[in-house]
Amino acid sequence: QQQVKQSPQSLIVQKGGISIINCAYENTAFDYFPWYQQFPGKGPALLIAIRPDVSEKKEGRFTISFNKSAKQFSLHIMDSQPGDSATYFCAVRTTSGTYKYIFGTGTRLKVLA
Amino acid sequence: EAGVAQSPRYKIIEKRQSVAFWCNPISGHATLYWYQQILGQGPKLLIQFQNNGVVDDSQLPKDRFSAERLKGVDSTLKIQPAKLEDSAVYLCASAQSVNTEAFFGQGTRLTVV
Repeated sequence: QQQVKQSPQSLIVQKGGISIINCAYENTAFDYFPWYQQFPGKGPALLIAIRPDVSEKKEGRFTISFNKSAKQFSLHIMDSQPGDSATYFCAVRTTSGTYKYIFGTGTRLKVLA
Repeated sequence: EAGVAQSPRYKIIEKRQSVAFWCNPISGHATLYWYQQILGQGPKLLIQFQNNGVVDDSQLPKDRFSAERLKGVDSTLKIQPAKLEDSAVYLCASAQSVNTEAFFGQGTRLTVV
């Protein structure tokens, strides 16, 4: 089973601070690296995603940094807000065989007001 | 645009009973996924359909789990007989095709007692 390792498991940040969540993957047969945001009682929702031909993608307060050689990618949330409090999952999409998503174990983020 | 619809939202059953979940994907989406999300973990793919054909069911416990997608639209996931360790949220997701963004439903929370 291919692995996606996500850290930290939980994170507490003050309002206005920067939240950083990291993911590492184990092989190179992936073509798409999304981050999902999940609120309690809801399904995961796509937040931002990156393809391996770029090293950074920014959408508003959310930035993905991608390091292909290190097989790592991270989510940065700038100016974190209480409304960002949720569980965040990184994922990778395989290209070997069928396209499918493998998820990390999740990071529970709490932003203090 | 309507999202992925799932029902029921919650289900409590006794072990060894059977249960079925229903999913209606976004209109026109050919790819449909069923994921199992155990509390505190990331979603794990159970089965993936392309239209009404199975693309990947390598992680589906076929001795007790079954799924179908008749006519390539709605899908049902069945568990028979249920075990305590099947307690989880079952998420359905759909995508226009195998290599496009996946959209998740709210999930069905199953508790096996």
